[in-house]
Formats: sequence, structure tokens, C-alpha cells
Amino acid sequence: NAGVTQTPKFQVLKTGQSMTLQCAQDMNHNSMYWYRQDPGMGLRLIYYSASEGTTDKGEVPNGYNVSRLNKREFSLRLESAAPSQTSVYFCASSLRYEQYFGPGTRLTVT
Amino acid sequence: DQQVKQNSPSLSVQEGRISILNCDYTNSMFDYFLWYKKYPAEGPTFLISISSIKDKNEDGRFTVFLNKSAKHLSLHIVPSQPGDSAVYFCAARPETSGSRLTFGEGTQLTVNP
Repeated sequence: NAGVTQTPKFQVLKTGQSMTLQCAQDMNHNSMYWYRQDPGMGLRLIYYSASEGTTDKGEVPNGYNVSRLNKREFSLRLESAAPSQTSVYFCASSLRYEQYFGPGTRLTVT
Repeated sequence: DQQVKQNSPSLSVQEGRISILNCDYTNSMFDYFLWYKKYPAEGPTFLISISSIKDKNEDGRFTVFLNKSAKHLSLHIVPSQPGDSAVYFCAARPETSGSRLTFGEGTQLTVNP
């Protein structure tokens, strides 16, 4: 089992460019999440999907969109990147309350 | 508002001694609490959890204590080892939120040999 995988590991974008962060899990979990981690701010929820076919906004959704493609995959899209979106992005999945995280994507927007 | 707070950004202890990491919360609807550990360049990994109906849960060297009246959670690591050096996040689940968690800011633990 690979657990939760994320691609890419690193990305540099120019302001205004778009990109999609990919996430997949092989644990047959119903729920999936996208977080961003910034220094001194912990993990903040961007969007989550309680089950296939549903998505909901989290704490910091502005500037992002998500797609729950199927039970395994949950992608995060930045339509027009801004320097404020420079961060480390983590995807997670859960069956119940314990969430399992991917290795993260370090994104820099210049 | 920050509903889960870890007031100490960092903690340094000697190998073999006890490490105590603290977490305070404000939302009385939280009914499940978790601790995660994070090494650099890796995702957080689940460490230990506790339900609000308990006041203590133990797993090997790790014990979590919950004081609901004080809205305070702590993680004890005994004995501390250099491999425990990491960032520790506490997290809490409001009982009406499904599986969503609210995380604290994290505490960097350094265990010195």
C-alpha cells in the first residue's frame, strides 16, 4: 500500500499561472482533505470531500477549486496563482477520525 | 479565531527526560482529540488520540491527558529520545463536523543527546 500520494513534490509558478495538485489514496477511505501549512499557522483546511461526489469549503478556500474525481482521487486547482499561495500543501484521507497524510507539495509563487 | 492553541512554539529537553507538550482549546463541542508528529519534508503522521469520555490514553512511551473542565490537552513522552525531535500538532474534532479536524499551530520538540 502506498497510502496517500501527491504530485508534484515541488513546483514554482509565476503569478497568474494555473496548476493542479494531484492526490490519490489506496486505503479505500471515504473522506479526503486538502490543507496548507504556513509557518506559525499550523494546518489550515482548504477543502474537503466527505464522500465521492461531494465537496465542501474549509477554512481558507478562496483562490482554490477541487474535484473529487472518484473515491481514490482528489485534486486541488489554483486558477490564477498569487504569491500568498506560496505554501506547503498536504492531502489527507480518513475512514473515521484519524487522518492519513501525503508527503506534501512545496509550492512557490513568484 | 484560533480554537486550538499550542502556546509554546518550541521545547527542548534532554534525552531520557520527560517531554510535555500542551494544547488548549476553546470550543466545548470538541469530542475527540488527536496528536500528530511531523518530520521535515514529510507529511504529519498520527500518533495518539483520546475521546472526550476519557481523561487519559496511553500507548507505549506516549500518554495523552485530557482535562475537559480546563479545556486542556497534554502529550507526555517518557523517556524522550533524539528520534522524537519533530513538530507536534494537536487537533480536535467538533462533534457536529463529521471527520473535519481543527489543528493547533504546532510545537517544535528538540531532544538533545
